[in-house]
Amino acid sequence: EAQVTQNPRYLITVTGKKLTVTCSQNMNHEYMSWYRQDPGLGLRQIYYSMNVEVTDKGDVPEGYKVSRKEKRNFPLILESPSPNQTSLYFCASSVAISEGYTFGSGTRLTVV
Amino acid sequence: AQSVAQPEDQVNVAEGNPLTVKCTYSVSGNPYLFWYVQYPNRGLQFLLKYITGDNLVKGSYGFEAEFNKSQTSFHLKKPSALVSDSALYFCAVRGEGSGTYKYIFGTGTRLKVLA
Repeated sequence: EAQVTQNPRYLITVTGKKLTVTCSQNMNHEYMSWYRQDPGLGLRQIYYSMNVEVTDKGDVPEGYKVSRKEKRNFPLILESPSPNQTSLYFCASSVAISEGYTFGSGTRLTVV
Repeated sequence: AQSVAQPEDQVNVAEGNPLTVKCTYSVSGNPYLFWYVQYPNRGLQFLLKYITGDNLVKGSYGFEAEFNKSQTSFHLKKPSALVSDSALYFCAVRGEGSGTYKYIFGTGTRLKVLA
């Protein structure tokens, strides 16, 4: 089944403890992206990647890192999480920039 | 700079009536426009897109959207609403040739279809 898989689905962590949210797609898509969803703010793009080793900042990149060493994987790294990073995170991929995204199921992160 | 606006936080419509969810955008160059739907506790699902061509685009689940270049709008429509259409709807835009893959979403419109 064609899908974007994120892990974990739920995560509660403490301020400052490094964490990684994994994202993997099995559709050979070139384009991948990370979003955070907050009430009243919609989805805001954190980082995106146009291909292996090609990444760029979205609108809210502060406090996040990404890497794209393989086409299928696009992990999101929070080196020192803070409470304002408590949010619902989505990974998404698409075959081309003119096509719609396939989204993962989301990761609900709580930083205390 | 790219932007997209969904002016209504919530839209209520009676089952069987037509529905419209509004979206306006601002981009440099020609727009790539998209609609997505999000059901509770789920990721977003792609509904339809406009890249070029006919101004009326048909998508999944009986939804369609009308592109209006002069009004910079891309409203989502359905001739007859179902209770199961109740969900959160997002409009998204990317400008052709914008030089980036920034893909901007609106803040979402909650559609409530009343039985």
